[in-house]
Parts: sequence; C-alpha cells; structure tokens
Amino acid sequence: KAGVTQTPRYLIKTRGQQVTLSCSPISGHRSVSWYQQTPGQGLQFLFEYFSETQRNKGNFPGRFSGRQFSNSRSEMNVSTLELGDSALYLCASSSGQPRDIQYFGAGTRLSVL
Amino acid sequence: DQQVKQNSPSLSVQEGRISILNCDYTNSMFDYFLWYKKYPAEGPTFLISISSIKDKNEDGRFTVFLNKSAKHLSLHIVPSQPGDSAVYFCAASAAAGGTSYGKLTFGQGTILTVHP
Repeated sequence: KAGVTQTPRYLIKTRGQQVTLSCSPISGHRSVSWYQQTPGQGLQFLFEYFSETQRNKGNFPGRFSGRQFSNSRSEMNVSTLELGDSALYLCASSSGQPRDIQYFGAGTRLSVL
Repeated sequence: DQQVKQNSPSLSVQEGRISILNCDYTNSMFDYFLWYKKYPAEGPTFLISISSIKDKNEDGRFTVFLNKSAKHLSLHIVPSQPGDSAVYFCAASAAAGGTSYGKLTFGQGTILTVHP
C-alpha cells in the first residue's frame, strides 16, 4: 500500500508570491490534516479536511487555505508569502475516525526569500 | 500557550540500556496520546499510542505509560539500539466530543542519541 505522497519536496519562492502544495493520502483514507513545522514553533496544526469539507482549523491567518478533492487528494495554498512562512509543511492522512492514527508524508520544504 | 511539553531537548543513552522520554500536558480534554519518531528529511513515523482509559501500552521494545493525575506520559525503549537515534515527538488529541477533528497537538521533540 502506497504511503502519503507530498509534492513538490522542495520549493523556493520570493516574498509576495503564492504557492500550492499537494498531498495524496493513503488509499481509502478520507481525512487529510496539514501541519507547519518550524524550529521555533514546532509542529503546528493548520487544518483538516474530510470528504471535501474543512472540519477543523488551526490558528493561522487567512493567507493559508486548503481544499480537498473527491479522490481525497488535498492541496494547501499560501498567498502573499512572507519570510516567516519558510517551513516544512507536512500532511497526514487517516480514516478520519476518532483515535485513528495519522500517517505522515515526507513533507514539502518551502523557502521564502 | 504550549499545551504539550517535552522538557528535555536531548537525551543520550548507551546501546542496550533503557531510554526514557517524558512528556507533560496541560489540557484536561486530551484523551488520546501518541508517540512519533522522526528522521531528518522524513515525515514523522507513528510508534505507539495510548488512550486515557489505560495507564500502560506495550509494543515490542516500546512501552508508553500514562499518569492522568499528573498529566504526564513517558515512552520507554528497552533495549535501546543505535537505529533508535532520532527526534521523538509526543502528541495529544481531544478525541471525544467531536470538536478536534484531525488535530494533533505536538510537543517540541526530544533528540535521542543511542551510542554503540
């Protein structure tokens, strides 16, 4: 069974640009959660999508948005990039049921110059 | 407001000995806890979990202990192996109540180094 796939693995952007990251969950999983990892803040929850609906959202500005498609693949978009958005972005998939394990992808390393 | 804390940034252990990683939490709504291991350039890998109705869960060399009254959990690795060297994260969720869908709250991580 294939794991969680994130593309691209690395990305370099400049301030003010926007970026879209992609996440393909494990087959059969309907929930995708997104996290931001930085040295100062650790792993922070961005949002969760289940069956194309956002069910939960973390404490991030509106520049961070996402969506989920009917095949459960998810995209995350960051608009008007700031230097502080440089981070490792991780997605995790699960069945979406309480106490189900989240399985993580390898992440997308975003550098904003 | 750090609701999950791993107060030891690093831990060094000799091969064959026990590694004990600690985690404290403040949110009494947390009822499900997980440990993940992370190697550089990879995503976190699930190790072991425990529900708040239990105080211990074992899986091979890994055992997680939960002390609800102290809001403290620990991961024991016995015996430790050099391949266990990685960053270990504890994570918590408020699974009951249906308001915390898909959200794990992570500690800052502990770097474990196991010396041959």
